[in-house]
Amino acid sequence: DTAVSQTPKYLVTQMGNDKSIKCEQNLGHDTMYWYKQDSKKFLKIMFSYNNKELIINETVPNRFSPKSPDKAHLNLHINSLELGDSAVYFCASSSGMWAYEQYFGPGTRLTVT
Amino acid sequence: AQSVTQLGSHVSVSEGALVLLRCNYSSSVPPYLFWYVQYPNQGLQLLLKYTTGATLVKGINGFEAEFKKSETSFHLTKPSAHMSDAAEYFCAVSDQGLSGAGSYQLTFGKGTKLSVIP
Repeated sequence: DTAVSQTPKYLVTQMGNDKSIKCEQNLGHDTMYWYKQDSKKFLKIMFSYNNKELIINETVPNRFSPKSPDKAHLNLHINSLELGDSAVYFCASSSGMWAYEQYFGPGTRLTVT
Repeated sequence: AQSVTQLGSHVSVSEGALVLLRCNYSSSVPPYLFWYVQYPNQGLQLLLKYTTGATLVKGINGFEAEFKKSETSFHLTKPSAHMSDAAEYFCAVSDQGLSGAGSYQLTFGKGTKLSVIP
């Protein structure tokens, strides 16, 4: 009964490929996020969706495209992968505007060779 | 814009010693403040949070933090370190998202790696 799950956990691919990371939450939350954690452990928000609507879209290359088919899912598709995309990607979710904590998934370690 | 500064990227303590991880923030409005812990190869887990009310907040695993507005600080403490406390700790501050959007954005510090020496 994992709260926030991500697949795959590890992803190794070559430059130029297209890949997707899936995220699902079973907490009934209406807001979901994607974060990127670099090799120095720095966490930076990429996107946020509230009720399937894009709310936060930080300065991220448009090779990254989030898709939220429903409130429980937020997938991340990456086109034309580059070496600099190698990182750990975390999905998170939160509930409404009066709950302030975010629940994180286990992360997806993406390695681009 | 919100920002968070965590003093010390790496802190080492002996088992049984006091743990003190420092966090200072900048905010133009009363902030919401959080501490998250990340164990190796895992996601982040909420340790504790401050929104309103009592400035000393208690969290899981014996950790607590005190919000000091005058010092713009939210330092994390634990009286006695345990080997299992070895992890990366992140302080975070939130702002309200777009009005009525029902969302908020967390700004994280750069993290402090806590090592516990037996």
